[in-house]
Amino acid sequence: GQQLNQSPQSMFIQEGEDVSMNCTSSSIFNTWLWYKQDPGEGPVLLIALYKAGELTSNGRLTAQFGITRKDSFLNISASIPSDVGIYFCAGQPNFGNEKLTFGTGTRLTIIP
Amino acid sequence: EAGVVQSPRYKIIEKKQPVAFWCNPISGHNTLYWYLQNLGQGPELLIRYENEEAVDDSQLPKDRFSAERLKGVDSTLKIQPAELGDSAVYLCASSAEPAAQYFGPGTRLTVT
Repeated sequence: GQQLNQSPQSMFIQEGEDVSMNCTSSSIFNTWLWYKQDPGEGPVLLIALYKAGELTSNGRLTAQFGITRKDSFLNISASIPSDVGIYFCAGQPNFGNEKLTFGTGTRLTIIP
Repeated sequence: EAGVVQSPRYKIIEKKQPVAFWCNPISGHNTLYWYLQNLGQGPELLIRYENEEAVDDSQLPKDRFSAERLKGVDSTLKIQPAELGDSAVYLCASSAEPAAQYFGPGTRLTVT
């Protein structure tokens, strides 16, 4: 099935560093979501974006809905060990309870 | 508030055997989704329910997969017969508003 292009595929950082990842699509999405998935668990919703240009924060996480509606960005400031995991972006082309198209994921590893 | 509940968490079966997964969505969430997640990839939608109606089952392999949500609450996903390639994590999600889907912990299926 179709998936969004997410980059980087993996990141190795030191605790305390800031993290940036992005997601791009060839088509327009009207909703962007960011999820985090730990091993053996389901994805957990971090941030939902519903408006082009929107910038939303959730603690140390900040996500932006790209103005072109074809991309979204997630930033994590001052990373901590519990930030380790796989981050997925997801987009929805139309408003409503329709299926989400997921990105390929960014695996975040914190180097001790 | 309780999250999405799924059972079993793990299942190991031999090929050609049947298997069933159960999902209890968040209370009040009318929309329920079943996703398939292969290793290293994002979830992909299998079927979406609005109350008891399957409104999008275009990605469900209907020759061996079936699902039901008889009373518009709990749902079951069945595979009969299972094949080796069905080994994956099966995720259930629910939502009550546009896009913000909340996932359960998933059922990890291993077909031997």
